[in-house]
Amino acid sequence: GAGVSQSPRYKVAKRGQDVALRCDPISGHVSLFWYQQALGQGPEFLTYFQNEAQLDKSGLPSDRFFAERPEGSVSTLKIQRTQQEDSAVYLCASSLGRRRGYEQFFGPGTRLTVL
Amino acid sequence: AQTVTQSQPEMSVQEAETVTLSCTYDTSENNYYLFWYKQPPSRQMILVIRQEAYKQQNATENRFSVNFQKAAKSFSLKISDSQLGDTAMYFCAFARSSNTGKLIFGQGTTLQVKP
Repeated sequence: GAGVSQSPRYKVAKRGQDVALRCDPISGHVSLFWYQQALGQGPEFLTYFQNEAQLDKSGLPSDRFFAERPEGSVSTLKIQRTQQEDSAVYLCASSLGRRRGYEQFFGPGTRLTVL
Repeated sequence: AQTVTQSQPEMSVQEAETVTLSCTYDTSENNYYLFWYKQPPSRQMILVIRQEAYKQQNATENRFSVNFQKAAKSFSLKISDSQLGDTAMYFCAFARSSNTGKLIFGQGTTLQVKP
């Protein structure tokens, strides 16, 4: 595809439900990032993949958050037992890394609302 | 730890005029990248301009230019000949060049261009 795509665009979950958010990066992009953006705030880093390897998960807020990228392409961010504080926009970005000066290309985001 | 600060939550400018958005950052690194990203109301984040810290020359991209003051740890964005399509939230971001390229964002500045 031409850009990074994410699905679903909107997700409403009841507190305690599990959710899965999908990211399709730009083909050939080795690096993939997940960010969490609260309303009116800047995005905050969650986790980073280089191909299928999760090299940095220092930003995941709790063990309820889990991310994977099993074949080095599509990635899924899973949130278990959702809480109201998980309500945010989840952004995915992909990159060619140092080769392109670390420029990241962002998807449209998934807006998660936990009731 | 690196931090990025944008002290102007909201700004407005008349169409065709010039506006400057401020950004300061804190790091002990010597090599890094600085970015300005634009997030229009549709929410897809796009790169506006990038600066490599080891380059003394300020980056320019058409109507967008930066004033990079490495000693002062300041990285402001100047938008010349403002257009209605420049209305968006603007984020300043930092990435270590020796790291994964994960971005540390400021809080953002909402820019309104008025006709």
